[in-house]
Amino acid sequence: GEDVEQSLFLSVREGDSSVINCTYTDSSSTYLYWYKQEPGAGLQLLTYIFSNMDMKQDQRLTVLLNKKDKHLSLRIADTQTGDSAIYFCAESIQSFNKFYFGSGTKLNVKP
Amino acid sequence: NAGVTQTPKFQVLKTGQSMTLQCAQDMNHEYMSWYRQDPGMGLRLIHYSVGAGITDQGEVPNGYNVSRSTTEDFPLRLLSAAPSQTSVYFCASRRDNSYEQYFGPGTRLTVT
Repeated sequence: GEDVEQSLFLSVREGDSSVINCTYTDSSSTYLYWYKQEPGAGLQLLTYIFSNMDMKQDQRLTVLLNKKDKHLSLRIADTQTGDSAIYFCAESIQSFNKFYFGSGTKLNVKP
Repeated sequence: NAGVTQTPKFQVLKTGQSMTLQCAQDMNHEYMSWYRQDPGMGLRLIHYSVGAGITDQGEVPNGYNVSRSTTEDFPLRLLSAAPSQTSVYFCASRRDNSYEQYFGPGTRLTVT
């Protein structure tokens, strides 16, 4: 399968910004995604970016895409304790039939 | 709408037993899929279906069977469970040509 890699843990203080990073290998990715998983729950789509975009902003979330380096990041501004969760990076290739997920980054927000 | 539902939430099997994990969606989505989630490995696609009567293999299909007789249901069968199939299983669905997948709450399976 395709390789999508993320660091496993990130710890920040409430009110700080969080930046979660992801690298992927397939340059034919059409969309790249960020999903959030809260304990005991399924994944929920947070945001996505089309592969011909560099940046997308959605309220507290900013997604940056560097296609040359195959690097995707998710910035959460003013991080809250409710943002504590596992965040997955994912890509879909050519069609939406196959998605490849990273291993997830566990974000811990300290009060 | 209930969205994507999965049963059971938890299951313990002995090696060699068979069982079916159920998945249903009430959103009339054409596409449905099964993933397994293992620690440190993210989600891996097992099987998927683009419509009733059509299924295909994903990244890790061995040991699992699927069928899609209706739009709503997409069961996953383990014919002879193995300890390597201990995992959390997620079902997902989406509209045709849509990027947005909706995930069920998961089934935690332990094979001893």
